[in-house]
Amino acid sequence: EAQVTQNPRYLITVTGKKLTVTCSQNMNHEYMSWYRQDPGLGLRQIYYSMNVEVTDKGDVPEGYKVSRKEKRNFPLILESPSPNQTSLYFCASSLRGLAGDLSYEQYFGPGTRLTVT
Amino acid sequence: KNEVEQSPQNLTAQEGEFITINCSYSVGISALHWLQQHPGGGIVSLFMLSSGKKKHGRLIATINIQEKHSSLHITASHPRDSAVYICAPRYSGGGADGLTFGKGTHLIIQP
Repeated sequence: EAQVTQNPRYLITVTGKKLTVTCSQNMNHEYMSWYRQDPGLGLRQIYYSMNVEVTDKGDVPEGYKVSRKEKRNFPLILESPSPNQTSLYFCASSLRGLAGDLSYEQYFGPGTRLTVT
Repeated sequence: KNEVEQSPQNLTAQEGEFITINCSYSVGISALHWLQQHPGGGIVSLFMLSSGKKKHGRLIATINIQEKHSSLHITASHPRDSAVYICAPRYSGGGADGLTFGKGTHLIIQP
């Protein structure tokens, strides 16, 4: 079954304790992205990756890191989480055209609800 | 940065009613996505379109590129259609990604 998986689904942690949220897709998609969703603000992009070893900042990258060492995985790293990073996080993936075209269907993971106290 | 306006923000309707959700954007785009987010939080892509009209079951999406406007219609609405519907235009040029999101329309269909 084609899918995007995220782990963990729920996480409660404390300020400053490094954490990683994993994201994996089994569709051989080139493009992957991380979003956060907050009430009243909608979805906002944190980082995205056009292919292996190619990552770029989205709209709200501060406090986050990513890596893309393999095509299927795109982990989100919070080196020193703070309470303002409490949010619902989504990973997504899609195909990418040869010319960089991203006009393809996006597949979303189930979400990770993170609480930082 | 591309602005995205969705209307209405909230909509409550009776089962069977015809539903329309509107999306307006401010600059040229290469494609527009309609997403559905259920109360459990998961997001599903309903449509991706760059022109004209697409239909899937009781859902219809239209886009008018010249007027920078898209609509999502639900015919014969059902309580299971209750969800948040999000418009997401991907604007062309000015950066590699370009996907922006509306704040969503919260739809409740009452039996």
